[in-house]
Amino acid sequence: LAKTTQPISMDSYEGQEVNITCSHNNIATNDYITWYQQFPSQGPRFIIQGYKTKVTNEVASLFIPADRKSSTLSLPRVSLSDTAVYYCLVGSTDSWGKLQFGAGTQVVVTP
Amino acid sequence: NAGVTQTPKFQVLKTGQSMTLQCAQDMNHNSMYWYRQDPGMGLRLIYYSASEGTTDKGEVPNGYNVSRLNKREFSLRLESAAPSQTSVYFCASSDRTGRRGNEQYFGPGTRLTVT
Repeated sequence: LAKTTQPISMDSYEGQEVNITCSHNNIATNDYITWYQQFPSQGPRFIIQGYKTKVTNEVASLFIPADRKSSTLSLPRVSLSDTAVYYCLVGSTDSWGKLQFGAGTQVVVTP
Repeated sequence: NAGVTQTPKFQVLKTGQSMTLQCAQDMNHNSMYWYRQDPGMGLRLIYYSASEGTTDKGEVPNGYNVSRLNKREFSLRLESAAPSQTSVYFCASSDRTGRRGNEQYFGPGTRLTVT
C-alpha cells in the first residue's frame, strides 16, 4: 500500500475554497486515490475517488497530475459544517478493502 | 434503509472479560470490515470479510476474532479484553465493484473502554 502524507491541519473562513494536497510518491499503476471525511463521533464518509486528471462531484473536486504522485482535494466555498478530518487513501480496488488511513488533515472553518 | 448498524454504542469492560460487537448492513454488500480508531489517529483495519464465508486478517488482528454470520452480519469478538483495546470500533461495508470500489459505508461506532 502506498504511504500518503498530508498536512496535519488547515484553517479557513466560511465561503473560501479549501485545497488539501496529499503526497503519494509510491503510488502503483492500479491504485486509485480516495478521500474520506470524518466528523467527531462518527464513522468516515466517502467523498470522492479518482485515478487521473480531474474528478468532480456535488461536494468536491479531486485534481490528480499526470505523474499521480500527489493529489489535491478541493472543497469549494466551505461552511462551518465542513469542519472535519479529511483522509487521503491510496489503494487498488483489488486490495480487498485494505485501505490505510493516516492521521488525516483537520480542517477548521471559522465564521 | 438503515445502512450499517452497530451494537452496542457504548461498553465498559473489566480486564479479562469477553464481549461481541455486532454489525449488520442492509445494502446487500459483499464485503465487510472492522476498524479501530484510537484518539487522534486514523482508522486501523482489524479484520475484513471479502464475501460471505471468508474472513482475513487486517493490520491489527491480535486479540480479536470475527464471524461472518451471513451476508448481512459481521461480528467482532474480544475473548479476553485488555486496556490496550480501549478504542472506538467501526464496522463498514462495500460492494467493491465499479468505479467506486474503495467506497466503504461506515457504521456509527462502538466506544469501548476496558478498565
